[in-house]
Amino acid sequence: SQQGEEDPQALSIQEGENATMNCSYKTSINNLQWYRQNSGRGLVHLILIRSNEREKHSGRLRVTLDTSKKSSSLLITASRAADTASYFCATRGYSTLTFGKGTMLLVSP
Amino acid sequence: DTEVTQTPKHLVMGMTNKKSLKCEQHMGHRAMYWYKQKAKKPPELMFVYSYEKLSINESVPSRFSPECPNSSLLNLHLHALQPEDSALYLCASSQDPGGLSYNEQFFGPGTRLTVL
Repeated sequence: SQQGEEDPQALSIQEGENATMNCSYKTSINNLQWYRQNSGRGLVHLILIRSNEREKHSGRLRVTLDTSKKSSSLLITASRAADTASYFCATRGYSTLTFGKGTMLLVSP
Repeated sequence: DTEVTQTPKHLVMGMTNKKSLKCEQHMGHRAMYWYKQKAKKPPELMFVYSYEKLSINESVPSRFSPECPNSSLLNLHLHALQPEDSALYLCASSQDPGGLSYNEQFFGPGTRLTVL
């Protein structure tokens, strides 16, 4: 299985702080994606990083990918209460996405 | 229109009932997916339809029967479910089914299913 493993499982921070989530996976990938899920709802795509990329930015999001260590990190800067959600990394093999276990982020006002 | 819609939002059914979940997208995507998600767990892939043909079945029990009537619609027919099948069922679509695709998946809001 190439399922990702997020770390930490849960993270609690104050508004304005940065949040870092890590993801490790087991097999070679085509790309790695990060999704956000608000409580009990559908997932929203945040950012995609290809296997030949090392870093990518999108607004307050910064993603890194280290294929030699089979790991990725998601940094959310200047967090807001609205960032409270579960965050999943998803690795793409040939044709399917496999989701990691997720990190639950709580941002307190 | 960049939305995937799912109906119903909530469904309660008995173990002898037959019901269907519906999913629709109008983005011209050629791949559609069904996922099952239990509480505090990641989504688990159930089925993939590629160009309206079933391409992946992740060993899902036959009491779940997918159907893709056309390129915009995806159904999941439910029959003789068990209480452990209670979960959030998510539909998703992507532009390109596979290969060296870099496409993201667009998810619907899900159907919360409870089997009594």
